[in-house]
Amino acid sequence: EADIYQTPRYLVIGTGKKITLECSQTMGHDKMYWYQQDPGMELHLIHYSYGVNSTEKGDLSSESTVSRIRTEHFPLTLESARPSHTSQYLCASSEPTGATDTQYFGPGTRLTVL
Amino acid sequence: AQSVTQPDIHITVSEGASLELRCNYSYGATPYLFWYVQSPGQGLQLLLKYFSGDTLVQGIKGFEAEFKRSQSSFNLRKPSVHWSDAAEYFCAVGARPGNTPLVFGKGTRLSVIA
Repeated sequence: EADIYQTPRYLVIGTGKKITLECSQTMGHDKMYWYQQDPGMELHLIHYSYGVNSTEKGDLSSESTVSRIRTEHFPLTLESARPSHTSQYLCASSEPTGATDTQYFGPGTRLTVL
Repeated sequence: AQSVTQPDIHITVSEGASLELRCNYSYGATPYLFWYVQSPGQGLQLLLKYFSGDTLVQGIKGFEAEFKRSQSSFNLRKPSVHWSDAAEYFCAVGARPGNTPLVFGKGTRLSVIA
């Protein structure tokens, strides 16, 4: 199992604030992912990275941005939070197993924008 | 491109009863298949995965899954459900050569009644 950490676990913030959700992993995985998930709903891939200085947008359009300056760190930033950004954000990393990847997830950050 | 269908949105079973959660996939070649479990407010935990070989895969927490190529299915089973198994369950498929993120189903919510 990979060790993936997300901070904060819970965040309540006002509209218009800039926020950064932190995600880090200690396993040296090259690939990392961000998902957005409303309670009890499906996962939506919003960003992923296959290595340092590599970032891609996922299937769901998102106003957030990501960076990958270090292998172990994959922060997600919202420049101006809005109530529509209220959701749970899950970070994951993956390791190659055979010819595919096994993904491991962090505990998530539950964001509420007032 | 691969896709995953979990036909059941919500299933309720009695504690001690057997469980089967359905998963159907679409992929042109032999897929890599995963089951994850998510407790409320938490990230996803890997239950089991199938890559090749024996089509009956054993996982953690007493779960197993069977890959049936003829039916394009990877159903999750447990012979006797415990109240702590109440959670959301996600099936996922990965593609060779592993340079695309996993594709997740929409999930099945399991409720356990006494």
